[in-house]
Amino acid sequence: NAGVTQTPKFRILKIGQSMTLQCTQDMNHNYMYWYRQDPGMGLKLIYYSVGAGITDKGEVPNGYNVSRSTTEDFPLRLELAAPSQTSVYFCASSLGQGIPSGANVLTFGAGSRLTVL
Amino acid sequence: QKEVEQNSGPLSVPEGAIASLNCTYSDRGSQSFFWYRQYSGKSPELIMFIYSNGDKEDGRFTAQLNKASQYVSLLIRDSQPSDSATYLCAVKLGLTGGGNKLTFGTGTQLKVEL
Repeated sequence: NAGVTQTPKFRILKIGQSMTLQCTQDMNHNYMYWYRQDPGMGLKLIYYSVGAGITDKGEVPNGYNVSRSTTEDFPLRLELAAPSQTSVYFCASSLGQGIPSGANVLTFGAGSRLTVL
Repeated sequence: QKEVEQNSGPLSVPEGAIASLNCTYSDRGSQSFFWYRQYSGKSPELIMFIYSNGDKEDGRFTAQLNKASQYVSLLIRDSQPSDSATYLCAVKLGLTGGGNKLTFGTGTQLKVEL
């Protein structure tokens, strides 16, 4: 049981390039999320998904796209990379929601550090 | 006003002391509250969650929730150098709709000194 796996761990992009951050989970979680973390700024939600085929914008979606074709995978696509997208990206998943419970707990991947030069 | 606020610190406490970390939130309809610990260069890991008013204890950690005053706190008893990390408060705000989205504070850096 690997939990939430992200690749790559590190990447350097040039301005205008595109790339995909991969995220997969093997816990059969329904919900998946992408957050970015800038120094001293906390975690900001980019996109989330409540199930295969369903995605929705978070707080900072501009410049990103996602898809959720399977329960396990939730890739994040960066189009036309900009220096403002330099950050650490975390993928997370949770079992679901409903009444407050442990099902609401987010499990995070190890993170992907992206630098755009 | 930020939705979830934390003092960025650093909060320095001597080894063996009680560390008190505080978090306030803006939405009275918020339902669930989480404390995550994040070591430098690592991902956040859950310490505990709370959703009812009062205290919840787990080992050396106690979460305290006061919905009337809109704050949640984390107490760490017998602080150890290994507790030195950034502590993130996360809240499921009442108006976030579907998806169990959490809003995070900016975190409080804790330093436990020998």
